[in-house]
Amino acid sequence: GNSVTQMEGPVTLSEEAFLTINCTYTATGYPSLFWYVQYPGEGLQLLLKATKADDKGSNKGFEATYRKETTSFHLEKGSVQVSDSAVYFCALSARDTGNQFYFGTGTSLTVIP
Amino acid sequence: NAGVTQTPKFQVLKTGQSMTLQCAQDMNHEYMSWYRQDPGMGLRLIHYSVGAGITDQGEVPNGYNVSRSTTEDFPLRLLSAAPSQTSVYFCASSYSGTLNTEAFFGQGTRLTVV
Repeated sequence: GNSVTQMEGPVTLSEEAFLTINCTYTATGYPSLFWYVQYPGEGLQLLLKATKADDKGSNKGFEATYRKETTSFHLEKGSVQVSDSAVYFCALSARDTGNQFYFGTGTSLTVIP
Repeated sequence: NAGVTQTPKFQVLKTGQSMTLQCAQDMNHEYMSWYRQDPGMGLRLIHYSVGAGITDQGEVPNGYNVSRSTTEDFPLRLLSAAPSQTSVYFCASSYSGTLNTEAFFGQGTRLTVV
């Protein structure tokens, strides 16, 4: 079946620190991979995505590379800001389940000044 | 362009009451779904629909009903609310059958059952 496992939180970093949030997946086909972000009191917003192996998704300084050999899609940012404090969800969608989404449990990030 | 609209934003119910959470999208998406979000459990799929007149169960369907009479609307009904249904509920929509599309989410409904 399809599933996503991501790093447990919460994560607390100082401003300008380097961020990595690990995400690995299990899929029966060739999924698309996503990172969503949820700011306090809001719904989920797409942060970035990658649709095939070796693709790199990027947005707002965040990056993630689709690694088929390690079934991973780790989220990275070189220098975090206070405004990046949010919950981050890794997700996949797979053709064999009609574009149904599978989410990880979410990682809470707090950036302190 | 409103995207996905959920109402209400907050709701308190007594055990045994019923209610309907509303979800509407204006993007002509075929695929709509309902999730619940609980601490430490991420988002769990309740029900989904791949088009008008078609619905199916997700991971945690018990205690919930859905219908899809139009492309735009996908209401979620709680038949007899229980404290275990206290959660934040999200509706999402996306194109169906197109693998690389993203899902768009509503702002959520925070439900408390006392």
